Amino acid sequence: QVQLVESGGGVVQPERSLRLSCAASGFTFSRYAMHWVRQAPGKGLDWVALITYDGGVTSYADSVRGRFTISRDNSKNTLYLQMNSLRPEDTAVYYCARELTDTLTRFDYWGQGALVTVSS
Amino acid sequence: EIVMTQSPVTLSVSPGERATLSCRASQSVGNNLAWYQQKPGQAPRLLIYGASIRATDIPARFSGSGSGTEFTLTISSLQSEDFAVYYCQQYNKWPPLTFGGGTKVEIK
Repeated sequence: QVQLVESGGGVVQPERSLRLSCAASGFTFSRYAMHWVRQAPGKGLDWVALITYDGGVTSYADSVRGRFTISRDNSKNTLYLQMNSLRPEDTAVYYCARELTDTLTRFDYWGQGALVTVSS
Repeated sequence: EIVMTQSPVTLSVSPGERATLSCRASQSVGNNLAWYQQKPGQAPRLLIYGASIRATDIPARFSGSGSGTEFTLTISSLQSEDFAVYYCQQYNKWPPLTFGGGTKVEIK
């Protein structure tokens, strides 16, 4: 069965860095675009970044562009989010999600989330 | 950026009753709209995509309708497991891919 498992969350001071990982299993990872979506405590869902199946194209929300980098290692079935210059407003649960696109696009599988807390 | 607006913010419904949730887009998204359900402490779960297509294993009591800028998620007869927060998401024009602010369906 499809599984996405995030890791790497924790408490970090402002302006420091953190890298999240999302280990994928149960499907051919290299065939799917992947996304990161975050959710601040008590708030709604906020899209962060996407990467195409081969890593050739990436895109970011304005709020993280220039600070966060999405990448993937298809040989390890793993998605990453490198987060630099973290701010208190980046505090959130970060979910990785698989994009399924045929004639329509949707996020059909999500990980359980990794909590990132940015605080001094 | 396409802004998605959901209403109401909170919907109080008795078990067995019908729930109707709305989602409005700031510009047309065609039928490129999805609905997700999220329960406390859990990841979102895909319910509906293409505005009206139920995802795998989603019960028939969930239905979606609409196109363009106005969309509706209907739960025909609320079960106890349906009390949750529901989000709409557009994927017609992105980045950024945008979500609505959510509707919390609570027990009346």
